[in-house]
Amino acid sequence: GQNIDQPTEMTATEGAIVQINCTYQTSGFNGLFWYQQHAGEAPTFLSYNVLDGLEEKGRFSSFLSRSKGYSYLLLKELQMKDSASYLCAVIKAAGNKLTFGGGTRVLVKP
Amino acid sequence: EADIYQTPRYLVIGTGKKITLECSQTMGHDKMYWYQQDPGMELHLIHYSYGVNSTEKGDLSSESTVSRIRTEHFPLTLESARPSHTSQYLCASRAGTAISPLHFGNGTRLTVT
Repeated sequence: GQNIDQPTEMTATEGAIVQINCTYQTSGFNGLFWYQQHAGEAPTFLSYNVLDGLEEKGRFSSFLSRSKGYSYLLLKELQMKDSASYLCAVIKAAGNKLTFGGGTRVLVKP
Repeated sequence: EADIYQTPRYLVIGTGKKITLECSQTMGHDKMYWYQQDPGMELHLIHYSYGVNSTEKGDLSSESTVSRIRTEHFPLTLESARPSHTSQYLCASRAGTAISPLHFGNGTRLTVT
């Protein structure tokens, strides 16, 4: 099976930076995805990491350490619209299933 | 623009009825998935398909069934709806490459009374 752990909730101030951590335990790891989900809506794809290191996409960056089973999503220059749940998902080499963590609810305050 | 479509968007139905949730995608993706999600809770994989005539059960036990007769179409059926089936059902698809992301439909919010 796969254990994917994320903090349940985080609160940050508009304009600040927030880092959302994700740890996983799985065999045959093939990659990790980050999704954003606003309340009542479907998840939307943010980024993926296959190799160790940092991937940057505008205000969002994602980091992966395969040896540590650890990833984080970094949100910079927070905006009110960034208030949402952020989901970490792991894909295995065999099977092609994506398994999601419980998500981290981020609340951005003025 | 939406390349993966789910209908209906909302459905309220009585106990014991048979229902089919529709999902279609126009991207030619081989892999399709159904997830179940209660409000504020995590996504649970209930069914997936690698291609036509291939379906597999997911990580969460479900009383629903699926079929994949055409690449673009992946309907989910509940033979006899119960209040415990009340939830949001999200359909998703992805291309065949190993690291291609999931694209989600807008979901069907099902309420069984």
